[in-house]
Amino acid sequence: GAVVSQHPSWVICKSGTSVKIECRSLDFQATTMFWYRQFPKQSLMLMATSNEGSKATYEQGVEKDKFLINHASLTLSTLTVTSAHPEDSSFYICSARDFGETYGYTFGSGTRLTVV
Amino acid sequence: DAKTTQPPSMDCAEGRAANLPCNHSTISGNEYVYWYRQIHSQGPQYIIHGLKNNETNEMASLIITEDRKSSTLILPHATLRDTAVYYCIVRSSNNAGNMLTFGGGTRLMVKP
Repeated sequence: GAVVSQHPSWVICKSGTSVKIECRSLDFQATTMFWYRQFPKQSLMLMATSNEGSKATYEQGVEKDKFLINHASLTLSTLTVTSAHPEDSSFYICSARDFGETYGYTFGSGTRLTVV
Repeated sequence: DAKTTQPPSMDCAEGRAANLPCNHSTISGNEYVYWYRQIHSQGPQYIIHGLKNNETNEMASLIITEDRKSSTLILPHATLRDTAVYYCIVRSSNNAGNMLTFGGGTRLMVKP
């Protein structure tokens, strides 16, 4: 089945630095990928929709200048958390859909970001 | 996409069937019912989906009521590794760009 690889699985960074998270579709092409954020004991919240070759679409309340999304190829989307602060510490998860599959969306394994 | 309602938590004895309910009373004709689960600190995993007929795969069975206003996910023989949060999601399948919207889900605890 479809596989989405997310890297890194965890990262610790200092406050004020930037962190890049990669999301790759390994055996299919994805014109659209989705980025979610999940705080402890809460559900997944959609942050943005990443579109290959065009600008991402951000959900209300998500700062596009803070969470930079680049979808430069059909298999790679990146999320960069700029000037990270402790309140950005969260579990970030990407998702993509393989249209060769009938079941819907495949998720990456997630990235645990801790800002200290 | 239609909203879903699930109980926040459930317990199940190991080896027994786990029946997880989901209400989606505002579902429309072209919306599918999807089930995903999330084991702690992992990304969600697809389980099963259906439109109106009952479905079964190697992981679970999905029973959808005739009026499609509710459904039940059945794990026939729950194991400790089935402990997870289970999400019932209703969405239209005809839009390639549509994302999945997650509700609160049901935290299933399988006990020895």
